[in-house]
Amino acid sequence: GAGVSQTPSNKVTEKGKYVELRCDPISGHTALYWYRQSLGQGPEFLIYFQGTGAADDSGLPNDRFFAVRPEGSVSTLKIQRTERGDSAVYLCASSTGTGANIQYFGAGTRLSVL
Amino acid sequence: QQQVKQSPQSLIVQKGGISIINCAYENTAFDYFPWYQQFPGKGPALLIAIRPDVSEKKEGRFTISFNKSAKQFSLHIMDSQPGDSATYFCEAGGNNDMRFGAGTRLTVKP
Repeated sequence: GAGVSQTPSNKVTEKGKYVELRCDPISGHTALYWYRQSLGQGPEFLIYFQGTGAADDSGLPNDRFFAVRPEGSVSTLKIQRTERGDSAVYLCASSTGTGANIQYFGAGTRLSVL
Repeated sequence: QQQVKQSPQSLIVQKGGISIINCAYENTAFDYFPWYQQFPGKGPALLIAIRPDVSEKKEGRFTISFNKSAKQFSLHIMDSQPGDSATYFCEAGGNNDMRFGAGTRLTVKP
């Protein structure tokens, strides 16, 4: 694809529900990142994948958050038992995984937990 | 943990002026320092980036200055324009371990 695609663009859910956020990276990019951005803040690192494996998941805030990338391309961020504090924009980025580490970002998914 | 500190939080500059945003990092293993520009409702987009083997990089009106010993780097926007009004983020890292600063909201007044 032309760029990183994230779906849905907006997600409204109720407290306690389960949500899945999808990221389609640029074709051929081996590295994929998830960030969370609250209003007026910089992106907060959550997890990054190199291929199918999570190379660093130290940013996941707790065990309600989980991410997968089973075939090394599309990734899904999963949030269980959502809380109002989870409301934020969730950004995905991909990079070639080599060289200059330039990250290409999607437009994000705005999650609102009511 | 805040590995990258960015200042100021917000900045107002007159059209034609110079905008300066600063970042400091802690991890001496970091070897890649990009700046991103973000408009409302959009993801961050790469503006300019530098490696620690040079002290300055210029692309058009945008310049990065890098001080390895001080572990600091800054973005200079010359001849600032209203269209430059956005939020700017520095990032630092390497080996795909990248961390963002908290951002600077730049407003360029006509």
